[in-house]
Amino acid sequence: GAGVSQSPSNKVTEKGKDVELRCDPISGHTALYWYRQSLGQGLEFLIYFQGNSAPDKSGLPSDRFSAERTGGSVSTLTIQRTQQEDSAVYLCASSLGQAEETQYFGPGTRLLVL
Amino acid sequence: AQSVTQLGSHVSVSEGALVLLRCNYSSSVPPYLFWYVQYPNQGLQLLLKYTTGATLVKGINGFEAEFKKSETSFHLTKPSAHMSDAAEYFCAVSDQGYQKVTFGTGTKLQVIP
Repeated sequence: GAGVSQSPSNKVTEKGKDVELRCDPISGHTALYWYRQSLGQGLEFLIYFQGNSAPDKSGLPSDRFSAERTGGSVSTLTIQRTQQEDSAVYLCASSLGQAEETQYFGPGTRLLVL
Repeated sequence: AQSVTQLGSHVSVSEGALVLLRCNYSSSVPPYLFWYVQYPNQGLQLLLKYTTGATLVKGINGFEAEFKKSETSFHLTKPSAHMSDAAEYFCAVSDQGYQKVTFGTGTKLQVIP
């Protein structure tokens, strides 16, 4: 079956612009996660959704970052007024929803802020 | 709060040698533990996981890990390294009943011919 997909695969933007990153999880997966992967920083947790609710937003770096999920499916991560330090690979993962479940990762969106 | 420490951001081994990647965790409740692997230019995929039961867990490609509660460790091993094992490996932990998964900073494995 189809895996997790993310779009765009690459995004180049100018400092100060807003960007939207999209994640399509595996059908039937109730949990959805966003991570940021920077060089040498590992995976930094941003936010996760259970259904359309986000019980834990503690990883969002600043109020410029927001995310939503609609219909228990597609999620959008929005970064407003992008800064150069936002440049990273943004990864999305989905799972069946319990803590012990395997996360299935998308290919990521590589964001470059000039 | 849960956390993960991976000792060594880079590990080099000779082809055919033992692979040992270290992971220590902290968790206030019994944890679920995971190893994920990221091959060059590919996405992350699960290598193995410990949830309950047997503390020695076997994964794909000949890897295994042992959950040692007394040492709060979940080290990843493989008896004989292959060139195709060159990748970045991430240890992760989640608390039972709490969905957030915390990843370590990763260990890049280099296999020398």
